[in-house]
Amino acid sequence: DIQMTQSPSSLSASVGDRVTLTCRASQVISNYLNWYQQTPGKAPKLLIYGGSTLQGGVPSRFSGSFSGRDFTLTISSLEPADFATYYCQQSFSTPWTFGPGTKVEIK
Amino acid sequence: QVQLQESGPGLVKPSETLSLTCTVSGDSITGYYWGWIRQSPGKGLECIGYIYYNGNTNYNPSFRGRVTISVDTSKNQFSLKLTSATAADTAVYFCARPLLGLSGVKGIYYFDHWGQGIPVTVSS
Repeated sequence: DIQMTQSPSSLSASVGDRVTLTCRASQVISNYLNWYQQTPGKAPKLLIYGGSTLQGGVPSRFSGSFSGRDFTLTISSLEPADFATYYCQQSFSTPWTFGPGTKVEIK
Repeated sequence: QVQLQESGPGLVKPSETLSLTCTVSGDSITGYYWGWIRQSPGKGLECIGYIYYNGNTNYNPSFRGRVTISVDTSKNQFSLKLTSATAADTAVYFCARPLLGLSGVKGIYYFDHWGQGIPVTVSS
């Protein structure tokens, strides 16, 4: 199975901050990488697919990029609704696997 | 707007079969893949498997031998059965749709719609 790691596991930030989250795959997965946002008690919500394509309806302050096995999710200016846990997920090969998540908390 | 809703028992006894159903509304189940994912504190998010509307399945090897996913197009539903349940199967179970979308020129699978999740506890 392809292992996904995420860093940091958590971070504290303030409204208006720019934050960058990182996800690394255990092998090359091209751009078969998706990002989700999850708030407590809710299902994950798709933000970005294909490493950098923004899902419809997702604010443009979210962006994704990648290089080799490394993927980043950037939130350009944090808003209160963005305090959540973010997961990456690879769909390069089955079984599709998720990273352990990065929790973004209010400073 | 596609909506998914899980249903089934919230408590399962050890060694029994965990059975859940996902009802799809707002679109036909035909023409798409449909999947099950679970989330537990110990293992995070895990893809259990998925099924095409015609019945073709793909299961996570971690569950092979215990898992069956089936589809009922007449009811617009698909189901999960996990046999020989243990405490390790205690989790929130989500149904979701893995959609094939285009990113540039590549087809990429991603979960675009999810159910709200149903907590299942395996305990006597």
